Amino acid sequence: TQLLEQSPQFLSIQEGENLTVYCNSSSVFSSLQWYRQEPGEGPVLLVTVVTGGEVKKLKRLTFQFGDARKDSSLHITAAQPGDTGLYLCAGARGAGKSTFGDGTTLTVKP
Amino acid sequence: KAGVTQTPRYLIKTRGQQVTLSCSPISGHRSVSWYQQTPGQGLQFLFEYFSETQRNKGNFPGRFSGRQFSNSRSEMNVSTLELGDSALYLCASSLEVHSYEQYFGPGTRLTVT
Repeated sequence: TQLLEQSPQFLSIQEGENLTVYCNSSSVFSSLQWYRQEPGEGPVLLVTVVTGGEVKKLKRLTFQFGDARKDSSLHITAAQPGDTGLYLCAGARGAGKSTFGDGTTLTVKP
Repeated sequence: KAGVTQTPRYLIKTRGQQVTLSCSPISGHRSVSWYQQTPGQGLQFLFEYFSETQRNKGNFPGRFSGRQFSNSRSEMNVSTLELGDSALYLCASSLEVHSYEQYFGPGTRLTVT
């Protein structure tokens, strides 16, 4: 059973379009991280959200943590080819290590 | 500040052999975690080391082991390699053992033939 469900699994869009990817769970998390991974490289930490309802912005990327701390979303405005990659969410609970979702593979075509 | 480094970047081994992968964390980071990433299973946690002690362990067989040195550098070993062990092995460092923000290295791509 996958603790964190990410959707969609694959997304292919044109440069300039907006998009939203989702990270959902039935479990409550103390914090949630978003990472981006490019082919042949390790994931790079983008943001951590901690408080229910929290919204964080990183240039064209907007991250939101659900009020109940069970889900999160990542919205990208005016996507660029450089945004292409695998977007992973990771949820932290208690003293154990974070659980990663399977990721959303985003392709932005010029 | 230099990032997490992993060596080697690529490795090809034969079934039944063993392999050792190395990870140097970011300077000042004391916790090192290892993950296996495959297309079918995604990113799976192997184990975490802090102060030379294993603090957390994922659901992998005993063929997978690791250790951490006094300078926080870490190694992981896989014995009796199987075809299914082919994967990208990622090392991540963090400041403390319960830090959820992790900084990943580029990974070691292991191919078992």
